Amino acid sequence: EADIYQTPRYLVIGTGKKITLECSQTMGHDKMYWYQQDPGMELHLIHYSYGVNSTEKGDLSSESTVSRIRTEHFPLTLESARPSHTSQYLCASSELEGLYEQYFGPGTRLTVT
Amino acid sequence: GEDVEQSLFLSVREGDSSVINCTYTDSSSTYLYWYKQEPGAGLQLLTYIFSNMDMKQDQRLTVLLNKKDKHLSLRIADTQTGDSAIYFCAERNSGNTPLVFGKGTRLSVIA
Repeated sequence: EADIYQTPRYLVIGTGKKITLECSQTMGHDKMYWYQQDPGMELHLIHYSYGVNSTEKGDLSSESTVSRIRTEHFPLTLESARPSHTSQYLCASSELEGLYEQYFGPGTRLTVT
Repeated sequence: GEDVEQSLFLSVREGDSSVINCTYTDSSSTYLYWYKQEPGAGLQLLTYIFSNMDMKQDQRLTVLLNKKDKHLSLRIADTQTGDSAIYFCAERNSGNTPLVFGKGTRLSVIA
């Protein structure tokens, strides 16, 4: 059982609000990731981190920002939510070496009205 | 850049075998993975194969890898309704970059 948590699981928010999606893992993994998942299933990598104080942009341009102050915590922030941000957001983590298996959280379903 | 391709949908009858196919472009892939996503959940690793292997079997799951053609397949024997899910193929290259995922194949099992 993967120990990676995301809160909230569901969020409905109005346009222009600032929101932070939380992601925490208790496995001591160095690498963490944020994906945006289309209703049509495809995963888009939006941010990732190799460790504390490391953040990288992914393949999909995103108006969100991330921070990595602690190993276990990788929050994602939207400064001003828009309807185009409506999506499922998945957080994941993995070790730096070895099998490199990515463990995924249950996701946050965000709806911006 | 690297790319992973999968067919989007597959429908099978309960008890039949399912075969989900995937092709990839990165010849330096070291590991290839199959992930399963059930409704309302995150992805979960189902199985994986090292690039120097041709086949891996794990209970009802068989993974076949044709490295020459860069083709990966997942066979599920005796498919059950609980196997209905989205299946993602993913590959890792020799560097320290994130996994590259396919777009996912939605498997529907008809009772």
